[in-house]
Amino acid sequence: AQRVTQPEKLLSVFKGAPVELKCNYSYSGSPELFWYVQYSRQRLQLLLRHISRESIKGFTADLNKGETSFHLKKPFAQEEDSAMYYCALGGSQGNLIFGKGTKLSVKP
Amino acid sequence: DVKVTQSSRYLVKRTGEKVFLECVQDMDHENMFWYRQDPGLGLRLIYFSYDVKMKEKGDIPEGYSVSREKKERFSLILESASTNQTSMYLCASSLWGGQNTGELFFGEGSRLTVL
Repeated sequence: AQRVTQPEKLLSVFKGAPVELKCNYSYSGSPELFWYVQYSRQRLQLLLRHISRESIKGFTADLNKGETSFHLKKPFAQEEDSAMYYCALGGSQGNLIFGKGTKLSVKP
Repeated sequence: DVKVTQSSRYLVKRTGEKVFLECVQDMDHENMFWYRQDPGLGLRLIYFSYDVKMKEKGDIPEGYSVSREKKERFSLILESASTNQTSMYLCASSLWGGQNTGELFFGEGSRLTVL
């Protein structure tokens, strides 16, 4: 079964602290993984995808096939990072399978 | 800049009413999707479409239907709205295949309340 698990509903950190949003997946083939972000009152948008191996807004995510994980990390959180984050897995039919999301709150 | 437009941001309907949610995209994307977004449940796929007049069931199609008569337009229909369909509905579009696979462009959402 194709599944994405985000174990934390809410993650609260102070500004300047490191952040790690966890994501685990279940997929029998070679996975395509993504992180999407939704800021307050904005539409959901792509943050980064594993195939690009890029850093966006200071965030990185490494695909670990052994642990079936794709955790999102940032060394120093900023207040503007507060948002809802969704991990997503490319499905076999061209759709995306989303996790339940983690709300990140960065306190001043 | 890709634009996905959902015609109604907020709707209030009564139980049993027929509800139409319209979505239009302006980038000639082949794929279109309808998700519902609920707190604690994330995004769940209702229906999607790869081409005009084609539709595929997602994870929670019960109580919904869709229509895609034109490439740019994908409509979600609630034949007889029920209170458990109160939710935020998100439309999205994407290119078919290629390196852009996986990048969905979302609309702003339609918040439906069924009384």
